[in-house]
Amino acid sequence: NAGVTQTPKFRVLKTGQSMTLLCAQDMNHEYMYWYRQDPGMGLRLIHYSVGEGTTAKGEVPDGYNVSRLKKQNFLLGLESAAPSQTSVYFCASSYPGLANTGELFFGEGSRLTVL
Amino acid sequence: AQSVTQPDIHITVSEGASLELRCNYSYGATPYLFWYVQSPGQGLQLLLKYFSGDTLVQGIKGFEAEFKRSQSSFNLRKPSVHWSDAAEYFCAVALYSSASKIIFGSGTRLSIRP
Repeated sequence: NAGVTQTPKFRVLKTGQSMTLLCAQDMNHEYMYWYRQDPGMGLRLIHYSVGEGTTAKGEVPDGYNVSRLKKQNFLLGLESAAPSQTSVYFCASSYPGLANTGELFFGEGSRLTVL
Repeated sequence: AQSVTQPDIHITVSEGASLELRCNYSYGATPYLFWYVQSPGQGLQLLLKYFSGDTLVQGIKGFEAEFKRSQSSFNLRKPSVHWSDAAEYFCAVALYSSASKIIFGSGTRLSIRP
């Protein structure tokens, strides 16, 4: 029972390099999210998706792109990494509907360092 | 824009003492409200949530929270903390109009004094 799996868990990039974080969930959830966590700032929503083929911007979308080609996967891309994107990234997923609102299932996080 | 504020960055309480963590939100309407806990090196786990109805909600691990509309607050409480409660706690909100968009506060780190 994997739940929400993020890969890679650690990555070091040089400024200007590109990379993709993969989030996979095996719970058949409709909603998926990408957050970044920085000291003193909590979790900030980057992008989210309410279903396959749909994405929406969160609080801090600049510098990131996402895709949800398959229901179980949500990809977060950095086209040209910057030191300001050094952070811990969390993926989360949930079922739709009022009863499930806010009940997010989180991955273990991906620590990204941009030099 | 919707926002949620946790005014306490770090709180230390003695084991067995009571706990209250503060959370305030700024919206015209009542949002959905949540408390999450994050243990070191882990993802977040939902403690409890409030949608409507009874303003005192019970959660897991002995936690409860009270919604006060007049104060725009949703404070988390526990009568007697255990050393295992040491963690970071996050308040979160979602609006009725965009319930899928969950916004988190900056978090409160809880330390337990033996």
